Amino acid sequence: QSVLTQPPSASGTPGQRVTISCSGSSSNIGSNIVNWYQQLPGTAPKLLIYSNNQRPSGVPDRFSGSKSGTSASLAISGLQSEDEADYYCAAWDDSLNGFGFGGGTKLTVL
Amino acid sequence: EVQLVESGGGLVQAGGSLRLSCAASGFTFSSYWMHWVRQAPGKGLVWVSRINSDGSSTSYADSVKGRFTISRDNAKNTLYLRMNSLRAEDTAVYYCARRGMALDPWGQGTLVTVSS
Repeated sequence: QSVLTQPPSASGTPGQRVTISCSGSSSNIGSNIVNWYQQLPGTAPKLLIYSNNQRPSGVPDRFSGSKSGTSASLAISGLQSEDEADYYCAAWDDSLNGFGFGGGTKLTVL
Repeated sequence: EVQLVESGGGLVQAGGSLRLSCAASGFTFSSYWMHWVRQAPGKGLVWVSRINSDGSSTSYADSVKGRFTISRDNAKNTLYLRMNSLRAEDTAVYYCARRGMALDPWGQGTLVTVSS
């Protein structure tokens, strides 16, 4: 079991908007910031969103993050074929004294 | 350019040991906490361990506690993960990552395969 809960898959057609949810608890999302990572096939994870809703330089503004209570979500608008990847949410967990990750969501662009 | 390069992975028998290294460059290594995260084949990311900037404080996932040891040499800009009593379930790609506002960047990973 992963510390955070994500849907295993999501899909959309080019140009659509998709959202990926991430559910946690008071010891992780409820009390700490959420980060999102994108992992393209065969590569290392890349930071996509930090501090709940901030984009590192170079990340398109098509990607946005939000957090409410013990849940968070990642939204991707104007879906493109190169967005096809695995997406992971993460948050520090005070009980674990380490990072908790979601199980990952595989995004398919139809 | 900020860069992390892992090495030391390979094939090892169950019960054996391995030491992973993570060479850092392009930033002041001694100022950052560092982490190890692993990913079993076809599976998700799992946090393994972290160490503070001067090496005086560490923490581990329950699954590796007592078997793995994280350490660092700030003079050599290198992070380590000593893995003892390896099990088949430790088979994974191991990534090192720098902790700033988030884990970023990550190294390219090194594959550890434990044969039973």
